[in-house]
Amino acid sequence: EDKVVQSPLSLVVHEGDTVTLNCSYEVTNFRSLLWYKQEKKAPTFLFMLTSSGIEKKSGRLSSILDKKELFSILNITATQTGDSAVYLCAVDLMRGAQKLVFGQGTRLTINP
Amino acid sequence: ETGVTQTPRHLVMGMTNKKSLKCEQHLGHNAMYWYKQSAKKPLELMFVYSLEERVENNSVPSRFSPECPNSSHLFLHLHTLQPEDSALYLCASSRGSLRLEGYTFGSGTRLTVV
Repeated sequence: EDKVVQSPLSLVVHEGDTVTLNCSYEVTNFRSLLWYKQEKKAPTFLFMLTSSGIEKKSGRLSSILDKKELFSILNITATQTGDSAVYLCAVDLMRGAQKLVFGQGTRLTINP
Repeated sequence: ETGVTQTPRHLVMGMTNKKSLKCEQHLGHNAMYWYKQSAKKPLELMFVYSLEERVENNSVPSRFSPECPNSSHLFLHLHTLQPEDSALYLCASSRGSLRLEGYTFGSGTRLTVV
């Protein structure tokens, strides 16, 4: 059974801290790994990772994939209260239409 | 707005009611999806439509019935639901084989079954 596991499930930090969110996976026919941010309802796309060791960066957010150890991390530096959200990790399987298998999410709370 | 619009935003229904959720996208995508998001559980894939043909039905009970009349519209027809079906129902679309950006999600319908 395809599985994506995120840790921690919940994290509370102070504004300005740096956080690292983890995502590990066990799937057949891996195609890519995606990160989403879900604030209220609609998850919004952050990154898609297909190759090991190549960091993707967008402002204070960055992510990297390790296809040998089957995990990815999402880093957020100099956190702000607007970063408070649920962060979802998903794996795209190489099967027909784009079918994503999601982890449980990490609920990140940034306190001022 | 993400380009994927879901209505209604909130729905309360009794167990004997029949209702429908609607999803609309004008992004030129050719694949559409229904996901269920329950508290403390991962998003669960329910149905996948690619080029208006259902390509996946993830062991969903028959009280949920999808319909995709064209590539821009997706419905989820609901009847005789159970309280455990209360959840956030998310619609998403993608470019199918051109998988560069993942899904675009709608804002969801928060369903409460009483």
